[in-house]
Amino acid sequence: EVQLVESGGGLVQPGGSLKLSCAASGFTFSGSAMHWVRQASGKGLEWVGRIRSKANSYATAYAASVKGRFTISRDDSKNTAYLQMNSLKTEDTAVYYCTPLVNWGQGTLVTVSS
Amino acid sequence: QTVVTQEPSLTVSPGGTVTLTCASSTGAVTSGYYPNWFQQKPGQAPRALIYSTSNKHSWTPARFSGSLLGGKAALTLSGVQPEDEAEYYCLLYYGGAYVVFGGGTKLTVL
Repeated sequence: EVQLVESGGGLVQPGGSLKLSCAASGFTFSGSAMHWVRQASGKGLEWVGRIRSKANSYATAYAASVKGRFTISRDDSKNTAYLQMNSLKTEDTAVYYCTPLVNWGQGTLVTVSS
Repeated sequence: QTVVTQEPSLTVSPGGTVTLTCASSTGAVTSGYYPNWFQQKPGQAPRALIYSTSNKHSWTPARFSGSLLGGKAALTLSGVQPEDEAEYYCLLYYGGAYVVFGGGTKLTVL
């Protein structure tokens, strides 16, 4: 059974940092591109970024709204993907999902507020 | 900035057929955009339905089908069931550089 478990969300002040983790199991994590997708309350899905597999040089790509502030990484030995979020803004408040765009976890809530 | 446009809302009767579309601000959608479709019900995570234009996942009901239609990606539901009431999102890949979700279509079964 495929499982994706996001963690690390919480309340952070504007300008602060947070690192999300995504523990994956039940599929070939090392061979999969992993995406981060977010959803603000009552809004649609927004692609945040992705990291490709080792075979594709761990290439990363980001949405314009987070480029330069967010960094995606992965540890294939731990079947875990990460999202480092810096210089957070109130508009970054959302549920964050990690996904290979096939299976999805339940997400983790990030709230940016003073 | 690239925009992917979907119908904000559609209504269909049980047993009917409805087609949702997905357009790109950059021009015609082709198979090279690898259109994906996702379903999301209130309070739930999204669920993948279609990948690479028309390929179904093992769990995708047969009544869902994907295609290209008039320069757009399309998701057709045939024989709609009450449980198909949900938000539907398309996703397009742009040359491997980035990915964009459509704004979503709220499908009402009435």
